[in-house]
Amino acid sequence: GAGVSQSPSNKVTEKGKDVELRCDPISGHTALYWYRQSLGQGLEFLIYFQGNSAPDKSGLPSDRFSAERTGGSVSTLTIQRTQQEDSAVYLCASSAPGTSENEQFFGPGTRLTVL
Amino acid sequence: EDKVVQSPLSLVVHEGDTVTLNCSYEVTNFRSLLWYKQEKKAPTFLFMLTSSGIEKKSGRLSSILDKKELFSILNITATQTGDSAVYLCAVAVWDTGNQFYFGTGTSLTVIP
Repeated sequence: GAGVSQSPSNKVTEKGKDVELRCDPISGHTALYWYRQSLGQGLEFLIYFQGNSAPDKSGLPSDRFSAERTGGSVSTLTIQRTQQEDSAVYLCASSAPGTSENEQFFGPGTRLTVL
Repeated sequence: EDKVVQSPLSLVVHEGDTVTLNCSYEVTNFRSLLWYKQEKKAPTFLFMLTSSGIEKKSGRLSSILDKKELFSILNITATQTGDSAVYLCAVAVWDTGNQFYFGTGTSLTVIP
């Protein structure tokens, strides 16, 4: 059984460019989360999806950040006009409905570097 | 406003030592507290705690929750170099959706 996968694993971009990060959750997991982790920081919640809808977008740091999820599966996090402070590891996690709902399975992350 | 606070921020011990990591929280609509071990990029799940006073144990690791005093501890006995990692505490709350608050983690280094 495959775990959560993310792509790319590393992304280096120039300031001002747009980037798109992808997350493939575990099959059957209805909940999907995006976090980011800056150097020396804890995980910062960005957005949560239940199916295709995002009931909680409160963590998105600015309107340059957006995310979508289609078909209740793959999700993309888009950062427009990247800034140097966007450099971080972006982690995706998914969890299954039911009793294990609290347990999130994390992907390997995408390390984003904005020059 | 810090919702989840972990201490110490970092810790260096020798193999064989016992360590206690602390996590205190202040949230509304508490649902559960989770501990994760983060060695590289992706955290791996250790424990989920929902009830006070019930110890969860896995090998040399154990954890307990105090919902009255709003904290949890993670104990590691007979530490090994492989225990070196960042240990993250997260609190899940009942909200419009699933919401998790993470602490900044405790960085544990075990030296031979």
